[in-house]
Amino acid sequence: DIVMTQTPLSSPVTLGQPASISCRSSQSLVHSDGNTYLSWLQQRPGQPPRLLIYKISNRFSGVPDRFSGSGAGTDFTLKISRVEAEDVGVYYCMQATQLYTFGQGTKLEIK
Amino acid sequence: QLQLQESGPGLVKPSETLSLTCTVSGGSISSSSYYWGWIRQPPGKGLEWIGSIYYSGSTYYNPSLKSRVTISVDTSKNQFSLKLSSVTAADTAVYYCARLDWSGADAFDIWGQGTMVTVSS
Repeated sequence: DIVMTQTPLSSPVTLGQPASISCRSSQSLVHSDGNTYLSWLQQRPGQPPRLLIYKISNRFSGVPDRFSGSGAGTDFTLKISRVEAEDVGVYYCMQATQLYTFGQGTKLEIK
Repeated sequence: QLQLQESGPGLVKPSETLSLTCTVSGGSISSSSYYWGWIRQPPGKGLEWIGSIYYSGSTYYNPSLKSRVTISVDTSKNQFSLKLSSVTAADTAVYYCARLDWSGADAFDIWGQGTMVTVSS
């Protein structure tokens, strides 16, 4: 099984400031087809998860451009360039290279 | 606009079988570009993938749950269903159904609102 580990588990951020969340996989997420199936999801309080980023760095439809993803192999990062109040919630990375597993989640909160 | 809606009992007794249905509206479950999946989230905890199904009936499951899980599809009703047998309190969770865009993103791109299932006598 591929284990996904996120850091930090909690991230207090000032409005308008950047935020960054890291995700590390226990083995390379490069698929035999050459793609890397790493996505990021946001879960606002009381809501279902929402897809933000897929295949490391592709923003899903309707996702603001302040969200960006990067990384390769086993190390990945989600960045929010300027945090807004609506960004509060829990962020999950998910790998789809070998079945599907999620990180434990990172709680983004406003200072 | 595609929407997914979970339905089923909110309370299940220990050792019994949990049964949920996901109804897809605003689009066809028989699209060749998508699988359909179940994901759960215990109270206050993270997400766990349960399994996925294609409209043809092809399935794959989380190995840790495989012995207890059955996912099926009814294309005539635009629905897919989850059965989880021999439940215990550890199966108490919000259960989500979601669409999996396997032909491109390979990510769960549309989610239902979720349904809370409690296992208790």
